[in-house]
Amino acid sequence: GQQVMQIPQYQHVQEGEDFTTYCNSSTTLSNIQWYKQRPGGHPVFLIQLVKSGEVKKQKRLTFQFGEAKKNSSLHITATQTTDVGTYFCAGSAGGADGLTFGKGTHLIIQP
Amino acid sequence: DGGITQSPKYLFRKEGQNVTLSCEQNLNHDAMYWYRQDPGQGLRLIYYSQIVNDFQKGDIAEGYSVSREKKESFPLTVTSAQKNPTAFYLCASSIGRATEAFFGQGTRLTVV
Repeated sequence: GQQVMQIPQYQHVQEGEDFTTYCNSSTTLSNIQWYKQRPGGHPVFLIQLVKSGEVKKQKRLTFQFGEAKKNSSLHITATQTTDVGTYFCAGSAGGADGLTFGKGTHLIIQP
Repeated sequence: DGGITQSPKYLFRKEGQNVTLSCEQNLNHDAMYWYRQDPGQGLRLIYYSQIVNDFQKGDIAEGYSVSREKKESFPLTVTSAQKNPTAFYLCASSIGRATEAFFGQGTRLTVV
């Protein structure tokens, strides 16, 4: 079945540094979504990418979908303490296929 | 407010007892899901339902059961057959099968 790999599993950064998490699928995706889960909370939808090579920005967050639609990345510029949490990607191959979640990247920020 | 509600937030049960976790949504979503979250494991799909009176097994359905008698409700029963039931359980709903998922607050189940 479809597999979605996400790296790194953990990332420690100093406040103000940049952060990137990467997501790779074993199959071509129809779309990819990103979610954020704060400590003790539940996943919250951030964005969906559907087009090959698509780039979307939300303030300090930049999301990319690869040309082959098999990989994606989330980049945060100048991290803040409010960015702490786990970031998940979730991909779907389309049709009747549902979302397959990556294992997430835990972002830890040191002030 | 529209949303998805899980109850209770914390639940303790003795080993060998069945327990049912509640999930209700008023978003008029057709699809509903149950995920299990363990440290370092991400979200693993237990069951999903795309329509009333129909549901499908996910990747880790053994030891769990569900029902979908109403569009708004998708309760999950953790049976005594589930070998390691202590975990954080998340319910979600979406308009379609792979569209934006809305998650409930989660239920942390501890079996002692």
